[in-house]
Amino acid sequence: DQQVKQNSPSLSVQEGRISILNCDYTNSMFDYFLWYKKYPAEGPTFLISISSIKDKNEDGRFTVFLNKSAKHLSLHIVPSQPGDSAVYFCAASENDNNDMRFGAGTRLTVKP
Amino acid sequence: DSGVTQTPKHLITATGQRVTLRCSPRSGDLSVYWYQQSLDQGLQFLIQYYNGEERAKGNILERFSAQQFPDLHSELNLSSLELGDSALYFCASSVVGGRPERYNEQFFGPGTRLTVL
Repeated sequence: DQQVKQNSPSLSVQEGRISILNCDYTNSMFDYFLWYKKYPAEGPTFLISISSIKDKNEDGRFTVFLNKSAKHLSLHIVPSQPGDSAVYFCAASENDNNDMRFGAGTRLTVKP
Repeated sequence: DSGVTQTPKHLITATGQRVTLRCSPRSGDLSVYWYQQSLDQGLQFLIQYYNGEERAKGNILERFSAQQFPDLHSELNLSSLELGDSALYFCASSVVGGRPERYNEQFFGPGTRLTVL
């Protein structure tokens, strides 16, 4: 069962504009959420995370928003840069369990 | 460089065969995770080991098995291979009990690309 869903397989934005990547989950026990970025021929790398006690976490150009009632989170990248072009995976886990469930990923293309 | 190493990088084999994928975690990391990424699919969690013991199991087939050795490296064994097993297999490691805001951060290796012909 797909407990974490990224319904947009791809997204294309212009350099300098905002990129918004979305993620939905079904397991209400998830309390920790992460975004990973993956370049071709490399493993995923951690980008940003948020725990369920917060609704927003910001790190430079990257902000993650969590809406627990909607079981929805989003990643905002402002301003988007061509180097941000990659596949972005949303992941979630519950309690202290490091057993993360990943979404299928969204391929972001930032055009110069 | 995440500090997690995986060998081999590429593996081509035939249906029905058995292969072993190897992973060395970052120094000090006690947990190792295995993931499968098939074409156009997300990362599917297979199994987690913590300090030599199986800790969590995901969508791992009975034909697949894993173990973590005393030196903390891990091996994923895939047997009776089928065409559908062709995928990227990632290993990740983490330090349980790290900084709270990055508690669940996992560090991924570069992956092993398995092709079953």
